[in-house]
Amino acid sequence: QSVLTQPPSVSGAPGQRVTISCTGSSSNIGAGYDVHWYQQLPGTAPKLLIYDNTNRPSGVPDRFSGSKSGTSASLAITGLQAEDEADYYCQSYDSSLRGVFGGGTKLTVL
Amino acid sequence: QVQLQESGPGLVKPSETLSLTCAVSGYSISSGYYWGWIRQPPGKGLEWIGSFYQSGSTYYNPSLKSRVTISVDTSKNQFSLKLSSVTAADTAVYYCARQRGDSRAGFDYWGPGTLVTVSS
Repeated sequence: QSVLTQPPSVSGAPGQRVTISCTGSSSNIGAGYDVHWYQQLPGTAPKLLIYDNTNRPSGVPDRFSGSKSGTSASLAITGLQAEDEADYYCQSYDSSLRGVFGGGTKLTVL
Repeated sequence: QVQLQESGPGLVKPSETLSLTCAVSGYSISSGYYWGWIRQPPGKGLEWIGSFYQSGSTYYNPSLKSRVTISVDTSKNQFSLKLSSVTAADTAVYYCARQRGDSRAGFDYWGPGTLVTVSS
């Protein structure tokens, strides 16, 4: 079991908005450590999508946004597109375990 | 443009040591940032293995710490991973990556990954 909990799967129709949650604890997200999000297309390396909870690297569309509150964080994708179909992972830091990832969420565009 | 490339044997026998190298181009490891290794078993999620800073600070996943060594060769601008006493559970795609800040930061540049299979 991953230290950070994500739903195994989410889905949405093109144009819709979906959110992916990442739930941690008082030793990681709740301790104030930043959350980062990745998109992984099949057969490729993960790509940094959101860093430090809310920031987008250059080139990432503003359809992707991140938020954090308490012991949880969320990734929101608006205006869903077929090419958004991928696996999404959250990452944070844990005071005992150090680097931790969520178990991943598979996004299906219907 | 920062680029990373993993290399090493694609097949390792059980109980032996897995050895991988990550060659970095477009940025000098000596200039800063943390650098790390992450792995992904087939069909499963990501697992952080460890990260280091060029000054010598190195951090490992507690579950792997007794078997893992990360080292750096700044003259070749590359760093390495050694994982001892491997079992089938260590079969995974291994990625090297750069953290955009300290050891708590996100990984902004990744290598394409290399599949290592543990089998006799």
